[in-house]
Amino acid sequence: AQSVTQLDSHVSVSEGTPVLLRCNYSSSYSPSLFWYVQHPNKGLQLLLKYTSAATLVKGINGFEAEFKKSETSFHLTKPSAHMSDAAEYFCVVDSSYKLIFGSGTRLLVRP
Amino acid sequence: DAGVIQSPRHEVTEMGQEVTLRCKPISGHNSLFWYRQTMMRGLELLIYFNNNVPIDDSGMPEDRFSAKMPNASFSTLKIQPSEPRDSAVYFCASSPQGTIADTEAFFGQGTRLTVV
Repeated sequence: AQSVTQLDSHVSVSEGTPVLLRCNYSSSYSPSLFWYVQHPNKGLQLLLKYTSAATLVKGINGFEAEFKKSETSFHLTKPSAHMSDAAEYFCVVDSSYKLIFGSGTRLLVRP
Repeated sequence: DAGVIQSPRHEVTEMGQEVTLRCKPISGHNSLFWYRQTMMRGLELLIYFNNNVPIDDSGMPEDRFSAKMPNASFSTLKIQPSEPRDSAVYFCASSPQGTIADTEAFFGQGTRLTVV
């Protein structure tokens, strides 16, 4: 069965410093992986997706993620955090037609 | 395109009452999903429709929950009778293909349900 584990429930960074949100996946086949973002009281928005093309995936708002099969990881990074990045981030794996969500990481950005 | 539209945005109801949540998917999308988000359980898939037909309802918690999709532009999720533990944010999402792998699911703003 497909699953994802987000290793940190909360991450706090200062504005202008790098962001790293960690995600490990478990899959019996080559998965499709996604990162979604949820701003307070809003719906979910796709940041980026990996579908077995390039292992380094670039998304919106300067985010990117690298698929590492050897480490079964799909960590989300951004070189410099903005205040507007404060939100909850979900690592997601595709299981046929289903999206299986991780438990989420809340990103706090300090001024 | 206006995106996935859910109504109402907020619903407060008394225990035992019937609640109906509504969703209008993006035009042309043939897959529709209902998710529930709670603090305890995170985001869970409740039911998946493809071409208006329920394909997987294994996530529906119990018989009090039912979902319909009478046509390609409308779906409902009904809870009867409602209970306090049903309090959650319910999201509807649509996708243009039968499997999500090569596309993305577009989510509505959600309906925040509070059962008192």
